[in-house]
Amino acid sequence: EPEVTQTPSHQVTQMGQEVILRCVPISNHLYFYWYRQILGQKVEFLVSFYNNEISEKSEIFDDQFSVERPDGSNFTLKIRSTKLEDSAMYFCASSDLSSGGALPTDTQYFGPGTRLTVL
Amino acid sequence: AQKITQTQPGMFVQEKEAVTLDCTYDTSDPSYGLFWYKQPSSGEMIFLIYQGSYDQQNATEGRYSLNFQKARKSANLVISASQLGDSAMYFCAIFQGAQKLVFGQGTRLTINP
Repeated sequence: EPEVTQTPSHQVTQMGQEVILRCVPISNHLYFYWYRQILGQKVEFLVSFYNNEISEKSEIFDDQFSVERPDGSNFTLKIRSTKLEDSAMYFCASSDLSSGGALPTDTQYFGPGTRLTVL
Repeated sequence: AQKITQTQPGMFVQEKEAVTLDCTYDTSDPSYGLFWYKQPSSGEMIFLIYQGSYDQQNATEGRYSLNFQKARKSANLVISASQLGDSAMYFCAIFQGAQKLVFGQGTRLTINP
């Protein structure tokens, strides 16, 4: 069964360093997302991406964050200068369609996550 | 804006019993989708079940079913014949706009042998 993959599973970095989190969405999916989950809290939306551009972003997704689809398979999240509060689990997700949830093909499938620890 | 409320921070159930996890939502959109995800201790988010706002019947997927009461804006997850492997966090989510899921705070389910 196709699945979303993410690398690395765990990233430890020093405050102020740049990190790139990588994702390979399900191959025929067209919509890609990043979410984050601070330890013990709920999952929060960061950004959605379609047709090689950002569709929507949250207040969390400030100028320190960027996303890119460098080739036909990878989808990356870059944090330019990490802060302590960026420590969280970062999930990539993909879906076939995005029509407001009215169709089962709107279902977003999540990767296993990358646990980012900023020291 | 859409909102999800899960009022049960924790639930404890005996193995083989059925369990209902509560979820209420708030939206002004006539067209929406509701989703349940399971997060085991290993951390991944596993999609369980989907219910569309126009679906006439409650969704079912194996031991999972969704008790969808549209007028009451509730979408409770029912797990029949619970197993030890069902112990996990469970999140209810709703689509907001066309692009993002909004999640509830989650319910931690513990299945006792």
